[in-house]
Amino acid sequence: AQTVTQSQPEMSVQEAETVTLSCTYDTSESDYYLFWYKQPPSRQMILVIRQEAYKQQNATENRFSVNFQKAAKSFSLKISDSQLGDAAMYFCAYSQGGSEKLVFGKGTKLTVNP
Amino acid sequence: NAGVTQTPKFQVLKTGQSMTLQCAQDMNHNSMYWYRQDPGMGLRLIYYSASEGTTDKGEVPNGYNVSRLNKREFSLRLESAAPSQTSVYFCASRPTVFSYNEQFFGPGTRLTVL
Repeated sequence: AQTVTQSQPEMSVQEAETVTLSCTYDTSESDYYLFWYKQPPSRQMILVIRQEAYKQQNATENRFSVNFQKAAKSFSLKISDSQLGDAAMYFCAYSQGGSEKLVFGKGTKLTVNP
Repeated sequence: NAGVTQTPKFQVLKTGQSMTLQCAQDMNHNSMYWYRQDPGMGLRLIYYSASEGTTDKGEVPNGYNVSRLNKREFSLRLESAAPSQTSVYFCASRPTVFSYNEQFFGPGTRLTVL
């Protein structure tokens, strides 16, 4: 079974600085998709960014970018110019191609200090 | 569009009581999901429905039943609540079976079983 591991239960960053959240996954499949979701204190789950495994180019969405290392099965999230509104739980998730299921990591709590 | 809505937002039950969590989406999505979120555990899939009239077990289905009432609605029933079912429950939906599609989440229901 596929597993997703987030090794950092908590992280903190100063406002305007850059932070990287780590995620590794275990799969023997070649067709899969990876996601980062943000969960602020409101509990609402919000998609931050997604990456298709077949794409070599790392995905970018404004201040959010990923470092996708397929051979190492690593999918880290970089947040640049951190803002107070970035404070949240961040979940890494994996979906196998053709599968209905989304497998989540246990999350990383990000604190942004003013 | 309201997106994915869940009722109720909060609920307290006594052990042995039953209840149904309601979920509806107005995005014409085919797939719908129920997750539970426990501290330090991330989100775990309880049941999902790939299309109207079909349901399948996820990672933690014991103690739950589901009904895909129509394309819009997907309910989760606890027949005899137990303290171990104290959790935050999320409903989600996705447009198609294609795995690159993100899941859209409801606001969650916080359930406490005494």
